[in-house]
Amino acid sequence: DIQLTQSPSFLSASVGDSVTITCRASQGISSSLAWCQQKPGKAPNLLIYAAYTLQSGVPSRFSGSGSGTEFTLTIRSLQPEDSATYYCQQLNTSPYTFGQGTKLEIK
Amino acid sequence: QMQLVESGGGVVQPGGSLRLSCAASGFTFSNYAMHWVRQAPGKGLEWVALILYDGSSEYYGDSVKGRFTISRDNSENTLYLQMNSLRPEDTAVYYCAKERRGYYPEYWGQGTLVTVSS
Repeated sequence: DIQLTQSPSFLSASVGDSVTITCRASQGISSSLAWCQQKPGKAPNLLIYAAYTLQSGVPSRFSGSGSGTEFTLTIRSLQPEDSATYYCQQLNTSPYTFGQGTKLEIK
Repeated sequence: QMQLVESGGGVVQPGGSLRLSCAASGFTFSNYAMHWVRQAPGKGLEWVALILYDGSSEYYGDSVKGRFTISRDNSENTLYLQMNSLRPEDTAVYYCAKERRGYYPEYWGQGTLVTVSS
């Protein structure tokens, strides 16, 4: 099975800052990676798919990059509503595993 | 608009069975693969299963393989998850999700809680 390791597990930043979350895969997954955002008590929300394609309706301050085994999610100009937990997921090979999550706190 | 509504959750004893349903509307259900994903209390997301648009293939996570079965009824626009031999560690909110092409979970239901406890 493909393991995904996210770093950091927790992040604290201020409104207007930029942050980057990294997702590393235990083997190559081409560009078959998604990022989703989850707020407490809510269902996840797809942000990025195919490593860098922005889902419709998602603000352009979110961006993704990477291929193979290393991927990043960058959020620019942080807003208070970006406080959430972020997950990467690989869709290259079943089982379609998630990373362990990165909790982002907005100070 | 697109809607996914899960049902069938509840409290079940260890070793018991439960069938979850996910009623879909607002899109052509038979054109899309569908996922089940779960989240134990206070924990991260865990992928459970995927079924292709026509039901021709199914894929499972290691922790549920052999115990859970994903299925769909395209005439009823409904996705199912049959869960047998339930264990306390299966306690979680179970979400269904519609794929975007490439299996990416694009749209999620609000989830249904399954509690396995004696």
